Amino acid sequence: DAGVTQSPTHLIKTRGQQVTLRCSPKSGHDTVSWYQQALGQGPQFIFQYYEEEERQRGNFPDRFSGHQFPNYSSELNVNALLLGDSALYLCASSLVSMNTEAFFGQGTRLTVV
Amino acid sequence: AQSVTQLDSQVPVFEEAPVELRCNYSSSVSVYLFWYVQYPNQGLQLLLKYLSGSTLVKGINGFEAEFNKSQTSFHLRKPSVHISDTAEYFCAVSEVEGQNFVFGPGTRLSVLP
Repeated sequence: DAGVTQSPTHLIKTRGQQVTLRCSPKSGHDTVSWYQQALGQGPQFIFQYYEEEERQRGNFPDRFSGHQFPNYSSELNVNALLLGDSALYLCASSLVSMNTEAFFGQGTRLTVV
Repeated sequence: AQSVTQLDSQVPVFEEAPVELRCNYSSSVSVYLFWYVQYPNQGLQLLLKYLSGSTLVKGINGFEAEFNKSQTSFHLRKPSVHISDTAEYFCAVSEVEGQNFVFGPGTRLSVLP
């Protein structure tokens, strides 16, 4: 079992650009959540997807959007990148009925210059 | 709204000494509680969780935590640490199963030889 996989592992973008991050959940999981972890801070919840719909959303602007595909994989899109968007973006997968069993990926390190 | 406080941002300790990492939370309802560990350049790994029942919870790698409802605390302990325990530790809460995690700011544990 490959667990939760995220791609790419690192990327560098320029302010104002757009970025797409990808996540494949652990086998058998149907729910994907995204978190932003700024340097030296704890992860902050962005949103959660289940059945291809955004189920919950944290306190993030509309520049942050997502998508879930029929195979449960997910994308996180960020438009009009700001320097402050530089962070480690973590994906977590779970079963909708057992969110207490969430597994995290290794994360994507986004640097905005 | 929930919040999590980790009182110590950094905890240095000598190898084979005991350690306690403190976590306090605030919530108006019952919560589930978690401790996650993050090794350098990696995602989050679940150490242990409290859902219900016994207030003393045992986890992986010899860690344990005790839930204290009256003090709204969930402190993490290990009787004898190893160099390999050097990492960032995050306490997290979730109010309702299926909802997102709210993480604390983290405690950096440094085990010294």
